[in-house]
Amino acid sequence: NAGVMQNPRHLVRRRGQEARLRCSPMKGHSHVYWYRQLPEEGLKFMVYLQKENIIDESGMPKERFSAEFPKEGPSILRIQQVVRGDSAAYFCASSPGLAGPRGGNYEQYFGPGTRLTVT
Amino acid sequence: KQEVTQIPAALSVPEGENLVLNCSFTDSAIYNLQWFRQDPGKGLTSLLLIQSSQREQTSGRLNASLDKSSGRSTLYIAASQPGDSATYLCAVQSQAGTALIFGKGTTLSVSS
Repeated sequence: NAGVMQNPRHLVRRRGQEARLRCSPMKGHSHVYWYRQLPEEGLKFMVYLQKENIIDESGMPKERFSAEFPKEGPSILRIQQVVRGDSAAYFCASSPGLAGPRGGNYEQYFGPGTRLTVT
Repeated sequence: KQEVTQIPAALSVPEGENLVLNCSFTDSAIYNLQWFRQDPGKGLTSLLLIQSSQREQTSGRLNASLDKSSGRSTLYIAASQPGDSATYLCAVQSQAGTALIFGKGTTLSVSS
């Protein structure tokens, strides 16, 4: 069973460009979380999605950031008009949710991350 | 608002020493607590998960304990090795399915 996959692993964008980060959850997992790790800071929650639904986006910046998890395909975190302050490592995690063993399993499994550099 | 604190921020020990990493959280109403390991420039590896009804979990040389009432967890590493050098992160989930709240981590260096 492949783990959580993220691509690209490294992404370089110039200021003003768009960045698209992809996350494929583990097989059987229907819950996806995005986190951001800024230099010298801890991991911060951004958004929590289930298939075709945003459950909690309380950690998302109000502008330029959006996320989706379509019925088919990976979850996408999209950053429009990137600025230098967006440079960070972006991690995706997945969990089985209610589909997990014993009626529910919310342990989160993390991908390797995408390291975004804005020049 | 839940806050997670890890002390110390950095720790250096000689190989073979037993050590304890500390994690505290402000709201004792948690669903579970996870300990992760992060190597420089890499992703997170889950080490141990403790459900709120449990007191401890063990995996190999690692033992994690949870005291919900005092808002504390410890990660005990026995007979440390240079390969244990990494940043250790503690994270709590307040309710089933919600986001993890992370501490800033303890960076461990084990010298041979």
